[in-house]
Amino acid sequence: GENVEQHPSTLSVQEGDSAVIKCTYSDSASNYFPWYKQELGKGPQLIIDIRSNVGEKKDQRIAVTLNKTAKHFSLHITETQPEDSAVYFCAASLHNAGNMLTFGGGTRLMVKP
Amino acid sequence: DAGVIQSPRHEVTEMGQEVTLRCKLISGHNSLFWYRQTMMRGLELLIYFNNNVPIDDSGMPEDRFSAKMPNASFSTLKIQPSEPRDSAVYFCASSLWGGEAFFGQGTRLTVV
Repeated sequence: GENVEQHPSTLSVQEGDSAVIKCTYSDSASNYFPWYKQELGKGPQLIIDIRSNVGEKKDQRIAVTLNKTAKHFSLHITETQPEDSAVYFCAASLHNAGNMLTFGGGTRLMVKP
Repeated sequence: DAGVIQSPRHEVTEMGQEVTLRCKLISGHNSLFWYRQTMMRGLELLIYFNNNVPIDDSGMPEDRFSAKMPNASFSTLKIQPSEPRDSAVYFCASSLWGGEAFFGQGTRLTVV
């Protein structure tokens, strides 16, 4: 089955700096890669996703890049703000299989004011 | 829509007792996922339904766990008998087939 590795497990940045979280996956058939943000006491919430026919996607301060050859994808957050502090999860799935998500281990991002 | 609704939000029970977790899907969604979150193992998929039919239950830990969809908008996850190692946060998520998964707020289960 699919295996997703995520690094780093914790990340501390100064407000205004950029943050980068990286993930690798094992199943070359995976073609859907969402990123979720989880705040304390809440369920994960989708913030951005990318499909395998695209190399990069951007939404305001958030961008995701995908390298299918190397089987890795990354989340980039620019101009970080204290409200970006949360746990971020990457995931991978095979879209045709109904998006059964395999999650990475999570990254706790702390943005210091 | 109020989103995916889970109940209860917190459950504390004694070892050996039966526990039932409940989930109401977003109206119109036809896929339902149950996940378990622990510090040690992260977010694990337990079982996945499509159109009320279980598609993949390979993540269900053992026979003590069972899940049902009695109708298109509601699901239950039952643990009988419960054990301390079942303590975790249980999430359900719903989606349209192949679409974005929306998660509920979770049920924090503590088995003492």
